Amino acid sequence: DTEVTQTPKHLVMGMTNKKSLKCEQHMGHRAMYWYKQKAKKPPELMFVYSYEKLSINESVPSRFSPECPNSSLLNLHLHALQPEDSALYLCASSQESNSPLHFGNGTRLTVT
Amino acid sequence: RKEVEQDPGPFNVPEGATVAFNCTYSNSASQSFFWYRQDCRKEPKLLMSVYSSGNEDGRFTAQLNRASQYISLLIRDSKLSDSATYLCVVNMGNYYGQNFVFGPGTRLSVLP
Repeated sequence: DTEVTQTPKHLVMGMTNKKSLKCEQHMGHRAMYWYKQKAKKPPELMFVYSYEKLSINESVPSRFSPECPNSSLLNLHLHALQPEDSALYLCASSQESNSPLHFGNGTRLTVT
Repeated sequence: RKEVEQDPGPFNVPEGATVAFNCTYSNSASQSFFWYRQDCRKEPKLLMSVYSSGNEDGRFTAQLNRASQYISLLIRDSKLSDSATYLCVVNMGNYYGQNFVFGPGTRLSVLP
C-alpha cells in the first residue's frame, strides 16, 4: 500500500492530445518529485517542488509542464508528446533532506 | 565516472544463498543513503535506509563506508520473493528535498 496516490494508472494518448497526470500525498511532506522511468533503467528525475515552488527542472522539454496547486498535490500536464515519451511516470515525496523518497504506484503512459 | 555505480548483475542464486550487492558513489559530501527494491513494472519501494554504523533488518544487512564511498547490502537465506531489481540511492544534496541519485540497479533472481 502506498501513501502517495497517482492517477490514472494507465494512459494511452495520441501525439496531439492534452492530458494530465495527478499525484496526491497526505504525509505532510514538503518536497514532491516527478520521475520518468524507461524499461530496465533507473528512475530519471524530471522536476522537484520544494514548499510548492519549482526548485529543479532537469532540462525537461516544454511539452511536459508541472504544477503544484498546494502542498499535497502535484500535476504533470502533457501536450504534443512523442512516442519516445512512453514510459512509467513516478511521483514521489519526501520530508527532510535525510529522509527517503516515497513513491506512488506510477502512471504507465503510452504515446501512439 | 557515474555518480552512483552498482554491480552490473544479473545475480542468479539458489534459494537459501547469501548474496551481497555493492554500490559506490562519487560525492563525498553525500548525506543519506538508501536501498530500494523494484519489482517488474512496479514502483521502487524502500527496503532500508543505510546508517553509518551499519544496520540490520531481518535477513537484510546494510553497511556504509564513508571513507571508501561504498555501500553494501547483504541478503541472507534468499527467498524466491527476493527476486527483484535492487537500487542504490544516494542523496547528494545538502539542502531540503533534492538530488536523490539512483544507481543503475542490480537484478537478482532467486531460483528454486
